[in-house]
Amino acid sequence: AQSVTQPDIHITVSEGASLELRCNYSYGATPYLFWYVQSPGQGLQLLLKYFSGDTLVQGIKGFEAEFKRSQSSFNLRKPSVHWSDAAEYFCAVVPYSGAGSYQLTFGKGTKLSVIP
Amino acid sequence: NAGVTQTPKFQVLKTGQSMTLQCAQDMNHEYMSWYRQDPGMGLRLIHYSVGAGITDQGEVPNGYNVSRSTTEDFPLRLLSAAPSQTSVYFCASSLQRGGKGELFFGEGSRLTVL
Repeated sequence: AQSVTQPDIHITVSEGASLELRCNYSYGATPYLFWYVQSPGQGLQLLLKYFSGDTLVQGIKGFEAEFKRSQSSFNLRKPSVHWSDAAEYFCAVVPYSGAGSYQLTFGKGTKLSVIP
Repeated sequence: NAGVTQTPKFQVLKTGQSMTLQCAQDMNHEYMSWYRQDPGMGLRLIHYSVGAGITDQGEVPNGYNVSRSTTEDFPLRLLSAAPSQTSVYFCASSLQRGGKGELFFGEGSRLTVL
């Protein structure tokens, strides 16, 4: 079955430390890949996306993600975490269809806590 | 520019009552959608629309109706609320149909069904 998995429910890091949030997908072909962030009490905001080409993509707020086809992964990274990065992060995929439908499927999310 | 506006932000219903969650966007986006967010479940697609007059079901459509009479508005109707529909509901829109478009989210509507 097609799915997107975020293995870590909750991660705690110290401010200034590096961060990596994991995302794995299970689809027949490489889907479109996204990372969204949700601050408490807010809607979701797009951090970055990958469709094709360079496997390392840069996003907003200093985040980057690397697509690895061999591992079916799209992990999110940040070299130095700030207290304001505390939020919930969602990986999302859209199966490549070429036209028409648009059904974004979200992972269950990873909650990030930052220790000052 | 207001973006995606959802009303109400909070609502408490009794089992069996009906209500409509409103969603409006002012970005002239073709695509609009409704998600529900439950703890530990992520966001699940309820219904979506690729343009005025066109709607389709998502992953969890049962108990919900939608219509799209204008480009701007995409209301979500609960005909007979059940406790299982207690959730936070998000409306989202996108300029593009084909899966590449960034989704713009409203701030959510928290619904409690007693």
